[in-house]
Amino acid sequence: ETGVTQTPRHLVMGMTNKKSLKCEQHLGHNAMYWYKQSAKKPLELMFVYNFKEQTENNSVPSRFSPECPNSSHLFLHLHTLQPEDSALYLCASSPLSGETQYFGPGTRLLVL
Amino acid sequence: EDKVVQSPLSLVVHEGDTVTLNCSYEVTNFRSLLWYKQEKKAPTFLFMLTSSGIEKKSGRLSSILDKKELSSILNITATQTGDSAIYLCAVGIMGAQKLVFGQGTRLTINP
Repeated sequence: ETGVTQTPRHLVMGMTNKKSLKCEQHLGHNAMYWYKQSAKKPLELMFVYNFKEQTENNSVPSRFSPECPNSSHLFLHLHTLQPEDSALYLCASSPLSGETQYFGPGTRLLVL
Repeated sequence: EDKVVQSPLSLVVHEGDTVTLNCSYEVTNFRSLLWYKQEKKAPTFLFMLTSSGIEKKSGRLSSILDKKELSSILNITATQTGDSAIYLCAVGIMGAQKLVFGQGTRLTINP
């Protein structure tokens, strides 16, 4: 058990829907990350939060909107997504940014 | 551009075999190299390597870093079907917030 939880585990949404992914870490870490994992591609870093402040946005389209209310919680708000956004979205945390990261189980997203 | 390349991309062996997975990197300012195992969903941490030539070992798994060759290997001896997974290599960059991941090696162990 990793100490990083994600909900929902699976999500199917239409292109006009608005949904949110949630991540929670119980490890006392100060940095949290969102990654996208598509088939046959390396993990793609999307966002980094360090002590609740966003420190990296890896040229992510504005239809993905992150929110970090505190060091333990991270959200990814989704709106007007495209079918090519279908992927596994992984959350991770680390004691400080750039250190060893511990991953949640991911949310498998399908956009129809 | 920072880059991490793993080989092979896919490997199928029989239970009991020994496998060696490779990871090479080209990065601006190396800090560390990490190996993860991804079975169904969450990648789980295996090793972090920072010093060249020092082997890290955990049961049947071991890994070593070669900073001169800009590479690392992950060895698994006496493989079991439970070792079937995608093995991810990632490199941490000094002064940066992120890890750069390779594309992974999909390892399948047949009984």
